[in-house]
Amino acid sequence: EAGVVQSPRYKIIEKKQPVAFWCNPISGHNTLYWYLQNLGQGPELLIRYENEEAVDDSQLPKDRFSAERLKGVDSTLKIQPAELGDSAVYLCASSGGTSGRTDTQYFGPGTRLTVL
Amino acid sequence: ILNVEQSPQSLHVQEGDSTNFTCSFPSSNFYALHWYRWETAKSPEALFVMTLNGDEKKKGRISATLNTKEGYSYLYIKGSQPEDSATYLCAFVQGGSEKLVFGKGTKLTVNP
Repeated sequence: EAGVVQSPRYKIIEKKQPVAFWCNPISGHNTLYWYLQNLGQGPELLIRYENEEAVDDSQLPKDRFSAERLKGVDSTLKIQPAELGDSAVYLCASSGGTSGRTDTQYFGPGTRLTVL
Repeated sequence: ILNVEQSPQSLHVQEGDSTNFTCSFPSSNFYALHWYRWETAKSPEALFVMTLNGDEKKKGRISATLNTKEGYSYLYIKGSQPEDSATYLCAFVQGGSEKLVFGKGTKLTVNP
């Protein structure tokens, strides 16, 4: 079974530039998560999708971050414009059960963003 | 703000040593606790999901216990191997929430 795929793996941009990350979840998984991991911290949830609906985006900084999950499969997370403080690892995860509380989340390898 | 603490922050052991580390979380309104292992340059991998006080889970040489009344979980590794080197993350789920709140992790290095 193919795992969660993310691209790119690494991205270096200058501040004020836009950047986009792409995630392809495990086939059949309805729930998709985007997490942000700052250096030395645990992952923090940015947004959770159930199919194509964003059911929890309370932690997404909406002034510069946006996300979409067209057709309830692949998802894209965008930052525009990027700031120095956005340098972090962006993780995507998916799960296929009915309970976000106890379902195993399967993670991709992440995109490491560096903003110069 | 929920406080999920992991200790120690990092740990170096010799191959063959057994080791353990701790995840502390709020003891009220507990729902579930997840453990993940994250090797460098790889994807975080799920180890356990624990929901009941007194739960013990085992996967090969790795096991975990859960005490929801006092708000902690231990992860044990028996006979550590270099391939066990990774960051071990716990994530707490509060009742009424669908969100995993992660600790900062314990970075384990097993020296051959």
